[in-house]
Amino acid sequence: EPEVTQTPSHQVTQMGQEVILRCVPISNHLYFYWYRQILGQKVEFLVSFYNNEISEKSEIFDDQFSVERPDGSNFTLKIRSTKLEDSAMYFCASSERLAGRSTDTQYFGPGTRLTVL
Amino acid sequence: GEDVEQSLFLSVREGDSSVINCTYTDSSSTYLYWYKQEPGAGLQLLTYIFSNMDMKQDQRLTVLLNKKDKHLSLRIADTQTGDSAIYFCAEKTGRRALTFGSGTRLQVQP
Repeated sequence: EPEVTQTPSHQVTQMGQEVILRCVPISNHLYFYWYRQILGQKVEFLVSFYNNEISEKSEIFDDQFSVERPDGSNFTLKIRSTKLEDSAMYFCASSERLAGRSTDTQYFGPGTRLTVL
Repeated sequence: GEDVEQSLFLSVREGDSSVINCTYTDSSSTYLYWYKQEPGAGLQLLTYIFSNMDMKQDQRLTVLLNKKDKHLSLRIADTQTGDSAIYFCAEKTGRRALTFGSGTRLQVQP
């Protein structure tokens, strides 16, 4: 069964450093998403991406964040200058756009745990 | 804005039925989802229901939707120890982003 994959599974970085989290969405999916889950808190939406541009973003997704689809398979989230409060589990998801009514069901990857020291 | 609420914890005995409840505020929700998260793992889609339905059954899982009260429940029949996990309810409105509840930790005792 196709699945969303994410690398690395765990990333440790120093405050102020740049990190890039990588995702490979399901191959025929057209919509891509990033969510994050701070320990003990709700899963929060960050950004959605379609047709090589951001289609929606939350207030969390400020200028420190960027997303990119550098090739036909990868989808990345970059945090330019990490802060302690960026420590969280980051989930990538993808969904397929179907003709007609669609559940637009989002399939999630296993997550990358980011620890900022 | 949207808000989704769940009770935090549920403990059941193996073989019993589990019922996990969720309430949401946005009456324009189109789809409602249940995801399962096992320790250290990602979010696994369990099932979903369209907002014009009131019930959906999928093997051991039954989803009930009361649109008037904005109440969603997930019933797991014959609960097994492997069902121990955190269960998240999520809603989608016109936008594509999902709004998640805080998750219900289900503990299944042998």
